Amino acid sequence: AQTVTQSQPEMSVQEAETVTLSCTYDTSESNYYLFWYKQPPSRQMILVIRQEAYKQQNATENRFSVNFQKAAKSFSLKISDSQLGDTAMYFCAFMNGYGGSQGNLIFGKGTKLSVKP
Amino acid sequence: DAMVIQNPRYQVTQFGKPVTLSCSQTLNHNVMYWYQQKSSQAPKLLFHYYDKDFNNEADTPDNFQSRRPNTSFCFLDIRSPGLGDAAMYLCATGGSKNTEAFFGQGTRLTVV
Repeated sequence: AQTVTQSQPEMSVQEAETVTLSCTYDTSESNYYLFWYKQPPSRQMILVIRQEAYKQQNATENRFSVNFQKAAKSFSLKISDSQLGDTAMYFCAFMNGYGGSQGNLIFGKGTKLSVKP
Repeated sequence: DAMVIQNPRYQVTQFGKPVTLSCSQTLNHNVMYWYQQKSSQAPKLLFHYYDKDFNNEADTPDNFQSRRPNTSFCFLDIRSPGLGDAAMYLCATGGSKNTEAFFGQGTRLTVV
């Protein structure tokens, strides 16, 4: 079974600075997808960034980028130029790549990020 | 435009009284998921549908059932809610090519 581990329950960062959230996962699959989701307080879960395991290049979306280390099964999220609106719970998630009934999306326990002015 | 819509946003039910939560989608996605999320915890997958193929997680209590009458709609039925079932319930959809899941705003269930 796949597992996703986020070892940082809470983090804080000053506005405009950079912060990195950690995630490790365990799987025996070779084809899978990794995601970072953001859940602001009392608001909807939204996708921040996704990474296909077969791609060596790290995904980037504006201020958000990942460091994907497949051999180490590590998938960290870097937020540059942090903004107050980045304050949220961040969940790392895993989905195996075979689709159909095996396409479950499994979440880590989350990291609560606070951006301070 | 909302793509995954959950109704109601807030639901209060009595202990032991059956309750149904609904989810609809305009994305025409094959997969629909139901998650339970308790305060400050990760979403926990209860079950999901791939088209009409129902997949129950091994540790989902029998108290939780689901129906998917067509592609657009999916329902979560809690047959006899207990106090421990109070949580946020999240519906999400996914395409058959394992694109990211799209989430609704959730239904917060209170059991009194």
